[in-house]
Amino acid sequence: EVQLVESGGGLVQPGGSLRLSCAASGFTFSDYWMTWVRQTPGKGLEWVANIRQDGSQKKYVDSVKGRFTISRDNTKSSLSLQMNSLRAEDTAVYYCARDSGRDVAPRYYFDYWGQGSLVTVSS
Amino acid sequence: SYVVTQPPSVSVAPGKTARITCGGNRIGSKNVHWYQQKPGQAPILVIYYDKDRPSGIPERFSGSNSGNTATLTISRVEAGDEADYYCQLYDSSTDGVIFGGGTELTVL
Repeated sequence: EVQLVESGGGLVQPGGSLRLSCAASGFTFSDYWMTWVRQTPGKGLEWVANIRQDGSQKKYVDSVKGRFTISRDNTKSSLSLQMNSLRAEDTAVYYCARDSGRDVAPRYYFDYWGQGSLVTVSS
Repeated sequence: SYVVTQPPSVSVAPGKTARITCGGNRIGSKNVHWYQQKPGQAPILVIYYDKDRPSGIPERFSGSNSGNTATLTISRVEAGDEADYYCQLYDSSTDGVIFGGGTELTVL
């Protein structure tokens, strides 16, 4: 059974940092592109970042470029999101999701999601 | 950037058919995917590549995509289908992943 379990969320002041982790199990983690998607309270979904199977390619939504860093450790089947210079508008539930693609290129649809980790940026 | 539009809400009686639309310029030329999200839960993929169903998704869920509108159709609607539904696509021209704003399905 595929499982994705996020951790690391919490309350942080504006300008602060937080690191989210996602523990994957039930599939060969190193075969898949992985993604972070966030959902602001009461609002919709926003794609944040993705990373290639070997970590050699990463892409970010414009609003987090230069502040967030996605990474992975295939030996531990783990995905991470380092978030720096956090802003109030980064407040959201952050989901780790598996891109369905096992190819060189992502397929850009997400067949498994974690339960989410809430990040609140507030003073 | 590419914009997709979903109706904020759709209501349907049990046993009837619900149609949730996702509008966008020439969306028929793009691959559209649909997710179901119930309160307090993570999204679940219900349709991918316009009309394909993942294993475990009932045949009552179907999809189509043509022209400027993609549609998620839920036949013989049940109370358990009450949820928010999101369309999603990849726009190659902007190299961006786009989610619709979501549609709240209410079963009367």
